[in-house]
Amino acid sequence: GDSVTQMEGPVTLSEEAFLTINCTYTATGYPSLFWYVQYPGEGLQLLLKATKADDKGSNKGFEATYRKETTSFHLEKGSVQVSDSAVYFCALRGNSGGSNYKLTFGKGTLLTVNP
Amino acid sequence: NAGVTQTPKFQVLKTGQSMTLQCAQDMNHEYMSWYRQDPGMGLRLIHYSVGAGITDQGEVPNGYNVSRSTTEDFPLRLLSAAPSQTSVYFCASSGQGTGNTIYFGEGSWLTVV
Repeated sequence: GDSVTQMEGPVTLSEEAFLTINCTYTATGYPSLFWYVQYPGEGLQLLLKATKADDKGSNKGFEATYRKETTSFHLEKGSVQVSDSAVYFCALRGNSGGSNYKLTFGKGTLLTVNP
Repeated sequence: NAGVTQTPKFQVLKTGQSMTLQCAQDMNHEYMSWYRQDPGMGLRLIHYSVGAGITDQGEVPNGYNVSRSTTEDFPLRLLSAAPSQTSVYFCASSGQGTGNTIYFGEGSWLTVV
């Protein structure tokens, strides 16, 4: 079945540092890939997505590129801010075997950015 | 823009009690689902629905019941609460199609004592 593996945290950075959170996946067919963010005490918000190979999703300075050859969707940001402190989830939505009704999530990466 | 609305946000139950978590969406989405979030586990699918009158089990359905009588509503029932059901619950909805975004409610924090 589908699976997502993302870098385990926690990750602690100083403000303005470069961020990478690794995410790799296993899926049949051509899934769509997502990054969701969860701020403390809140629900999940879509951060960005990519629906086909070589697509780049971007939002709020975050970027991720759908790499089918390496089955990866790594999240990057050039300069993090304190307000980026949150839990980040990589997820996929499959398109084969009737699996497109759900998301398969990684376990989440806690990011803390210090001033 | 209501989106996906869940109630209650916080609830404490005693072991053996039953309750219903409510979920409503106003985006006319066909697909709705319930996930639970536990530390170190990510989110796991409890039950899902692909349309009114159609429901099915996800990864962790035991102890939960759902129904979908309308497109808008998808309540989750805990039949006899157990401490293992202490978790954060998220309702989600989306249109068909792999590329469509799945939208989440704000979550319901449930503690079973």
